[in-house]
Amino acid sequence: AQKVTQAQTEISVVEKEDVTLDCVYETRDTTYYLFWYKQPPSGELVFLIRRNSFDEQNEISGRYSWNFQKSTSSFNFTITASQVVDSAVYFCALSEASYGKLTFGQGTILTVHP
Amino acid sequence: NAGVTQTPKFRVLKTGQSMTLLCAQDMNHEYMYWYRQDPGMGLRLIHYSVGEGTTAKGEVPDGYNVSRLKKQNFLLGLESAAPSQTSVYFCASTVVPTGNTIYFGEGSWLTVV
Repeated sequence: AQKVTQAQTEISVVEKEDVTLDCVYETRDTTYYLFWYKQPPSGELVFLIRRNSFDEQNEISGRYSWNFQKSTSSFNFTITASQVVDSAVYFCALSEASYGKLTFGQGTILTVHP
Repeated sequence: NAGVTQTPKFRVLKTGQSMTLLCAQDMNHEYMYWYRQDPGMGLRLIHYSVGEGTTAKGEVPDGYNVSRLKKQNFLLGLESAAPSQTSVYFCASTVVPTGNTIYFGEGSWLTVV
């Protein structure tokens, strides 16, 4: 069975601080996909990134960066110079390749104070 | 450019009532999913479909039924609603699951009193 664990339930930072959200996963599949989604207060799920199990290259997109380490089964997400608009719930998720079923972590509530 | 559309967005039900949530996608996707989101638990898969006429159980299927009579629609039914089914329901779809983007609807807030 697959499992995703997000270590932090809630994180509170002050604007312009850097913040890292941790994600650890468990799977027996050799091919799988990892995702991060953002859920703002309005409730919709916003896709942030997808990474397949064969691509351990880290990625940077603006203030966002992701560190995928297969050796430690981790897929951590860093926001640099956080802003109030980053306040949201962030979900890490794991998908198996056959049917695309997602297993979500419990989410991390990020609050960025001005 | 509708993407994935869920109806209704909000509903209050009395215990024992029945209702159907409709998910419609206009992207010709084969795979569709229903998830529920509860506080502190992330999203959990209820049922899914790998094509028109197919359905399969997910992690938490009890109390729900689904149908995929048309490729673009995936219906989630509650035959006899219970307070434990108070949740936010998300529909999702993808063309094929090999690493493609999974598109989510905006969510349906259901309260059972």
